[in-house]
Amino acid sequence: AQKVTQAQTEISVVEKEDVTLDCVYETRDTTYYLFWYKQPPSGELVFLIRRNSFDEQNEISGRYSWNFQKSTSSFNFTITASQVVDSAVYFCAQGAQKLVFGQGTRLTINP
Amino acid sequence: NAGVMQNPRHLVRRRGQEARLRCSPMKGHSHVYWYRQLPEEGLKFMVYLQKENIIDESGMPKERFSAEFPKEGPSILRIQQVVRGDSAAYFCASSQQGSDTTYNSPLHFGNGTRLTVT
Repeated sequence: AQKVTQAQTEISVVEKEDVTLDCVYETRDTTYYLFWYKQPPSGELVFLIRRNSFDEQNEISGRYSWNFQKSTSSFNFTITASQVVDSAVYFCAQGAQKLVFGQGTRLTINP
Repeated sequence: NAGVMQNPRHLVRRRGQEARLRCSPMKGHSHVYWYRQLPEEGLKFMVYLQKENIIDESGMPKERFSAEFPKEGPSILRIQQVVRGDSAAYFCASSQQGSDTTYNSPLHFGNGTRLTVT
């Protein structure tokens, strides 16, 4: 069965700190995608990244970076120099069209 | 290019009433997916449809819930005789292709419909 675990329920840091959100997944599929979504207080889901299971290259987008380690079934997300606007719930998901979501990590960035 | 459009944004229903949630996919997308987010939880898959076809409804509750995606018009998620436990955010997503072996597009989610049952 597919499963996504985000062990950190809540994280609180001070602005400008770096923060890493963990994501561990389980799947029997050989081909799959991994996703990260941001859900700000307004409630919408903002797509951040999709990663193909064949591509283990790390990705950087501005202050955001993602570390995909197939050997440990992890897809961690790091925010560098965090800002208050990064405060949100972040979801990791796995699958293709039918996604399995983790429970989310509530990130609070304090000024 | 407009994104996935959901309406209404908020819906309040009394117990026993019907709720109808609408989703218009992104232009050019022919596959629609509905997810439910209960308070303080992650999203759970409900149903996957293409035009006039239900592909996978393994996440749909067995009773009172139905979904359709007609040839013309938006996809509709219908909840009959709503109960308090149906209060949740319902999200719709769309994609260009739905084949399990062809992963061509990320899932674009609408802003969700927040259903409150009083």
